[in-house]
Amino acid sequence: GEDVEQSLFLSVREGDSSVINCTYTDSSSTYLYWYKQEPGAGLQLLTYIFSNMDMKQDQRLTVLLNKKDKHLSLRIADTQTGDSAIYFCAGADTGRRALTFGSGTRLQVQP
Amino acid sequence: DAGVTQSPTHLIKTRGQQVTLRCSPKSGHDTVSWYQQALGQGPQFIFQYYEEEERQRGNFPDRFSGHQFPNYSSELNVNALLLGDSALYLCASSSDGPTQYFGPGTRLTVL
Repeated sequence: GEDVEQSLFLSVREGDSSVINCTYTDSSSTYLYWYKQEPGAGLQLLTYIFSNMDMKQDQRLTVLLNKKDKHLSLRIADTQTGDSAIYFCAGADTGRRALTFGSGTRLQVQP
Repeated sequence: DAGVTQSPTHLIKTRGQQVTLRCSPKSGHDTVSWYQQALGQGPQFIFQYYEEEERQRGNFPDRFSGHQFPNYSSELNVNALLLGDSALYLCASSSDGPTQYFGPGTRLTVL
């Protein structure tokens, strides 16, 4: 199995960059994901990265993966008030599809 | 293209009762996974169905059971409800690729 840990809370000002961090224990994770959850809603897939990659960029989102330290981060450029939500990182083992989630980081964007 | 749909949206039951939740996967997806998300926590994997069989199961008691139909839709059944079963139940669908797309969830309250 895998444990995934995240910091609980992050507050930024509108227009700044946000960096949300995650550490995971299982080095055999094939894919690592970032999901966004708004109040009372389901999970929205933001992006994912394959374990043989170091970085992936998708518009305002940049994912960095440090396999040596088992550390994953999500950078949101030009953070907007609509980015306020809970962000979950998740991992999936090779050959398995069960996602193991962290406890989530609440991002608060102040105008 | 409809995404993942779940019904009902909300449900209130009393301890000891049984409940059935339903999920229709995204078009073209043949795999359905169920997750339980307690308040303030990340989702926990319950089980996954593929080709009408339970392919993988998380650490949940036998009170939790499921079914997948030939059209790939799925049901989650929980027997002998406990107060601790109160949670948001999320369904996710996938196909051969690495991504799982989530529905809006069913909020179950057990009194």
